[in-house]
Amino acid sequence: AQTVTQSQPEMSVQEAETVTLSCTYDTSESNYYLFWYKQPPSRQMILVIRQEAYKQQNATENRFSVNFQKAAKSFSLKISDSQLGDTAMYFCAFRGEGSGGSNYKLTFGKGTLLTVNP
Amino acid sequence: DSGVTQTPKHLITATGQRVTLRCSPRSGDLSVYWYQQSLDQGLQFLIQYYNGEERAKGNILERFSAQQFPDLHSELNLSSLELGDSALYFCASSVGHNSNQPQHFGDGTRLSIL
Repeated sequence: AQTVTQSQPEMSVQEAETVTLSCTYDTSESNYYLFWYKQPPSRQMILVIRQEAYKQQNATENRFSVNFQKAAKSFSLKISDSQLGDTAMYFCAFRGEGSGGSNYKLTFGKGTLLTVNP
Repeated sequence: DSGVTQTPKHLITATGQRVTLRCSPRSGDLSVYWYQQSLDQGLQFLIQYYNGEERAKGNILERFSAQQFPDLHSELNLSSLELGDSALYFCASSVGHNSNQPQHFGDGTRLSIL
């Protein structure tokens, strides 16, 4: 079974600074997809960024980028120029592509609560 | 706005009761997923439907059931409710069932059992 671990329950950053959220995962599959979702106080689940494991290039979406290290099974999220609106719970998620049953669901980490301070 | 609509937003009921949560997927999406978010268990997958057929089951209790209708909306039925069923229930949808298709989440239904 796949597991996703977020080792930082809470983090804080000053507005305009850069912060990195960590995520590690465990899987025996060779191809899979990784995601970061954001859950602000409004409780919506918003897709921030995704990465295909077969792509070596790290995904980037505006101020959000990832550092994907496949061998280390690490998938960190970097937020540049942090804004007050980035304050939220961030979840790392895994979705497999194999036939072992992991390809239909997202497996989530426990989340990291990020607070952006003015 | 993800395009996924969940109703109601809040539901308060008592133990032993039965409730129905409703989800309308994004236009064009054939897959619907249900997740439960609780403080102790985190976000857990419950069940998936694709074009009206059940495709996969996760940690869904026997007291819970779901279905997807011909118009592709889905309902999650929770019966014999217990205090521990209090949680945020999310519906998500995707175009198909392939792993490369992102799941887009609704705003959730907050269920409180008194």
